[in-house]
Amino acid sequence: QVQLQESGPGLVKPSETLSLTCTVSGGSITNYFWSWIRQPPGKGLEWIGYVYSRGGTNYNPSLKSRVTISVDTSKNQFSLRLTSVAAADTAVYFCARLYSATRGIDYWGQGALVTVSS
Amino acid sequence: EIVLTQSPGTLSLSPGERATLSCRTSQSVSSSYLAWYQQKLGQAPRLLIYGASSRATGIPDRFSGSGSGTDFTLTITRLEPEDFAVYYCQQYGNSPLFGQGTKLEIK
Repeated sequence: QVQLQESGPGLVKPSETLSLTCTVSGGSITNYFWSWIRQPPGKGLEWIGYVYSRGGTNYNPSLKSRVTISVDTSKNQFSLRLTSVAAADTAVYFCARLYSATRGIDYWGQGALVTVSS
Repeated sequence: EIVLTQSPGTLSLSPGERATLSCRTSQSVSSSYLAWYQQKLGQAPRLLIYGASSRATGIPDRFSGSGSGTDFTLTITRLEPEDFAVYYCQQYGNSPLFGQGTKLEIK
């Protein structure tokens, strides 16, 4: 059974960089699209982007200038960096496995709340 | 840019009733790239349907998906107490995109 676990600071100051890591266990990180999705408190889901296990990326155009998603296959981990954060970036951040474009997002982490505040 | 619009925003029904949730896209999309998710309070979403009509592993057969072009539907027959949650449609185009969600609440 594949499991995903987010880790990283729960509080980030405005204008600084949000960094999260997702550790994948119970399965290989190769041959899938590893995604970050966020959900502001009380609101809907927003896809941030994904990295393919071999390194290609695809980002939400609205966040593209601030986002970097990378993968470390040796550690079975992938990471999110979001620069120049503001209060609007406060959200629960989920890491997830996008099986494929036609098979949907089949595994999710439990989510990590990140608050942007001074 | 494609926009996904879900309706209704909130649906109030009783256990045992039938729920019909709609997802409309602003332009025609391939049904292969349309998925539905269920999210309960405080939990991560769960994949229900992919390819517009294929149930994900372990999903009960009271959940079904249909549609094509710009109109897609998630149907839940005989609502169970655990089905009351928020439901999202998701489309994979140039980049994945979610609808704003439909809250299914107990009447």
